[in-house]
Amino acid sequence: NAGVTQTPKFRILKIGQSMTLQCAQDMNHNYMYWYRQDPGMGLKLIYYSVGAGITDKGEVPNGYNVSRSTTEYFPLRLELAAPSQTSVYFCASRRHRDRGYTEAFFGQGTRLTVV
Amino acid sequence: DQQVKQNSPSLSVQEGRISILNCDYTNSMFDYFLWYKKYPAEGPTFLISISSIKDKNEDGRFTVFLNKSAKHLSLHIVPSQPGDSAVYFCAASAQGNTGKLIFGQGTTLQVKP
Repeated sequence: NAGVTQTPKFRILKIGQSMTLQCAQDMNHNYMYWYRQDPGMGLKLIYYSVGAGITDKGEVPNGYNVSRSTTEYFPLRLELAAPSQTSVYFCASRRHRDRGYTEAFFGQGTRLTVV
Repeated sequence: DQQVKQNSPSLSVQEGRISILNCDYTNSMFDYFLWYKKYPAEGPTFLISISSIKDKNEDGRFTVFLNKSAKHLSLHIVPSQPGDSAVYFCAASAQGNTGKLIFGQGTTLQVKP
């Protein structure tokens, strides 16, 4: 019962480096999301996807890119890491229903430090 | 522009007593509200939700109340247990908005034995 799996759990990057945060879900959910959580703050939406091949910006997309080539995977790319991107990153997925609402399931998070 | 606000960063209650966590929102288009619980070094986990057409939803020890006119919701935990100690996030969604959740800042609940 894996649910939403994020890798790596921790990472330290130098300013200007790039990396990809991996996210996989095995629940066949069509909607997937990337959030970041800064200390003492709530979660802010970075990017989201409503299905394979479809992505869109959230509240704080600058400095990030995403792709969604399959239902299962939704990687988040940081091209030129900056100290402001030091945060905990959460991936989430949910099943869309035409009526009603279904809750999102979250991964365990990736703690990223940019130095 | 904080659309969902949790004005109390922390709350401490005695085991067995009631915990009341509050949340205010500004966007009248929100039609679903959710509470998530988060332990350190883990992802948030869903706790309970409520549709805007209801004013109360109950699940065991957890009850969520919604006051649409005041744009306010609250989570009641009765009785509180030490294992309830965690950060609680209020979140809201507008149905036509692809299910994106807007989160509050969180309230850290400590339940003392």
